[in-house]
Amino acid sequence: DTEVTQTPKHLVMGMTNKKSLKCEQHMGHRAMYWYKQKAKKPPELMFVYSYEKLSINESVPSRFSPECPNSSLLNLHLHALQPEDSALYLCASSQASGGLSSYNSPLHFGNGTRLTVT
Amino acid sequence: AQKITQTQPGMFVQEKEAVTLDCTYDTSDPSYGLFWYKQPSSGEMIFLIYQGSYDQQNATEGRYSLNFQKARKSANLVISASQLGDSAMYFCAMRDRNFNKFYFGSGTKLNVKP
Repeated sequence: DTEVTQTPKHLVMGMTNKKSLKCEQHMGHRAMYWYKQKAKKPPELMFVYSYEKLSINESVPSRFSPECPNSSLLNLHLHALQPEDSALYLCASSQASGGLSSYNSPLHFGNGTRLTVT
Repeated sequence: AQKITQTQPGMFVQEKEAVTLDCTYDTSDPSYGLFWYKQPSSGEMIFLIYQGSYDQQNATEGRYSLNFQKARKSANLVISASQLGDSAMYFCAMRDRNFNKFYFGSGTKLNVKP
């Protein structure tokens, strides 16, 4: 069983809809991530939260809005998406950088949300 | 600059044989971690194995082992006794010390033939 849980598993939304993706981890990690993945491509980093603060935003369009309410939860709010935003969205967590051996800590992924924008 | 290179877009292996998936990396940080992930067609990213830059011995996890050649900056994944369930995309990734950032290779699609 994955220790990073994502909901929903599938989402179909129109271009005018507002929806949210949710992620929860119970691994005690202080870094949480959103990735976008297109078919047969590696995951592309979107956002990183470290100790509940946004530490990396990879120039993601403002129609994607992340939120980290606490150390266990990470949301991605979606608004006015385009068909090209259809993809697998993966949440992940890891130990935050700065610790003695934080580079040893892998990413632990959720099962992802398959998003289709119509 | 590209940090992780996987030069094999696709590979075939006969069931029960061993296969090596290539990964080379580039970093100037002496402290880094190397990771391999498996992604079946269902989409989940499964962490397989880890190698630290200071580790003297190659990592092993069951049928997975990592052939770590530090001077060559390579971290190849070896899967022994391939099974049909090993058919998936495999990604190599690296993390260095100072940032919450992982660098992924482009992946290798492994097909195991019965």
